[in-house]
Amino acid sequence: GQNIDQPTEMTATEGAIVQINCTYQTSGFNGLFWYQQHAGEAPTFLSYNVLDGLEEKGRFSSFLSRSKGYSYLLLKELQMKDSASYLCAVNMIKAAGNKLTFGGGTRVLVKP
Amino acid sequence: NAGVTQTPKFQVLKTGQSMTLQCAQDMNHEYMSWYRQDPGMGLRLIHYSVGAGITDQGEVPNGYNVSRSTTEDFPLRLLSAAPSQTSVYFCASSYGASGRLYEQYFGPGTRLTVT
Repeated sequence: GQNIDQPTEMTATEGAIVQINCTYQTSGFNGLFWYQQHAGEAPTFLSYNVLDGLEEKGRFSSFLSRSKGYSYLLLKELQMKDSASYLCAVNMIKAAGNKLTFGGGTRVLVKP
Repeated sequence: NAGVTQTPKFQVLKTGQSMTLQCAQDMNHEYMSWYRQDPGMGLRLIHYSVGAGITDQGEVPNGYNVSRSTTEDFPLRLLSAAPSQTSVYFCASSYGASGRLYEQYFGPGTRLTVT
C-alpha cells in the first residue's frame, strides 16, 4: 500500500505565494501528479513529476524529491479563482501495470 | 470527442438495491479507474483497469464489482447498496497502462444517495 499526506486546509492572501506539501510512502514509484478541483466539479490536471527537480508552468510549479518521498506545489501571484482543493496523486507500478492513488487533498482559501 | 461520460448524473437508491454506474470514453485510453469522493475528502480508488479484460482492486473495493469487456466502457456495479456508499463517484481515463502514466481525464461524476 501507500500513504499520501497533505495538509487539510491553507489560507492565503490574494497576490501572495502558497506552498502545498505532499509526502508519500510507496514501492514502485512511477510519477506524481497534482490536480485542482473546484467545489462541485471534477479534478483537472495541473502538473506531473517523475524525476527529481522543479517543473514550472506559468504561476504554478511542482517539485519532487524521490529520495525523500516529498513533493510540493507552489502557487504564485494568487488569484481569487485559485480557491480550490489541490490533490496530490502518486502512481505506482504493479504487476499488471500502473495504479494511481490520491491523497486527501488540500483546500486552499484565497482572501482579498 | 465527448471525452469521459458518466451516467446517471444523480441517483437515489434504497438500501439493498443494486445498480450499475456507466462510464465510457472515446479517446482509446488503456487506463480507466473509478474513485469515490466523500464530502471534504480526497479521491479513493475503488477499482481500476489497465486494458480490456484486466481489472484490479483499489483501496476500497468492497461492495463494488467492475468488468472491462471493451476499451471504451468501464461500468461499476453496486451489488447491494448501503448508506455508507452515499458519495460522488468519478470515472477517469488516460493513456499509459504501463510505462509512463499520462494525465487523467475525469467524467463529470455521479452523485449517489442511498437511503
